[in-house]
Amino acid sequence: GDSVTQMEGPVTLSEEAFLTINCTYTATGYPSLFWYVQYPGEGLQLLLKATKADDKGSNKGFEATYRKETTSFHLEKGSVQVSDSAVYFCALSDPNYGQNFVFGPGTRLSVLP
Amino acid sequence: EPEVTQTPSHQVTQMGQEVILRCVPISNHLYFYWYRQILGQKVEFLVSFYNNEISEKSEIFDDQFSVERPDGSNFTLKIRSTKLEDSAMYFCASTVGGASIGNQPQHFGDGTRLSIL
Repeated sequence: GDSVTQMEGPVTLSEEAFLTINCTYTATGYPSLFWYVQYPGEGLQLLLKATKADDKGSNKGFEATYRKETTSFHLEKGSVQVSDSAVYFCALSDPNYGQNFVFGPGTRLSVLP
Repeated sequence: EPEVTQTPSHQVTQMGQEVILRCVPISNHLYFYWYRQILGQKVEFLVSFYNNEISEKSEIFDDQFSVERPDGSNFTLKIRSTKLEDSAMYFCASTVGGASIGNQPQHFGDGTRLSIL
């Protein structure tokens, strides 16, 4: 079945550092890809998405590019802030696999002042 | 911005008791979902619901689980006889639906933390 793999956390960075969280996927169809963020004590919030190859999703300084050739959707941000501390989930929706989302295990990011 | 709301935020229940988790999806959304997240683990799909019936369910969603849309706004998850391993955060989600459903993000509530004693 479909699956999503993310880099192991936790990731600890200093403020203004560059962030990369790797995400790769396995899918039977042609999925749409998403990043969700979970702040402490809160639910899952959509951060960005991409629905086809070479699409770039972006929001709040975060970016991710849908790379079909490497089946990847890595999350990047040029300069992180303390307020970016959260758990980040990569997810896919595969139209050939039904309506449900398949989530990666999540990567906890801690940004230190 | 409209949002998915879930109640209660925390539910503590004795093992073997029935529990009902409640969700109010976004009003014009047609597809509804339940997911769970055991502490420190990944978010897992439980069930999807459309047009007043289950459209998909995972192997986790056994006979102890049921879902219902009792009126035009609420969407509930019932666990008939809770077990210790049911302790988790349960998230409700909804999406508009339609031909491009595979491209649509799902909108999540803040979750209900279920603790089984």
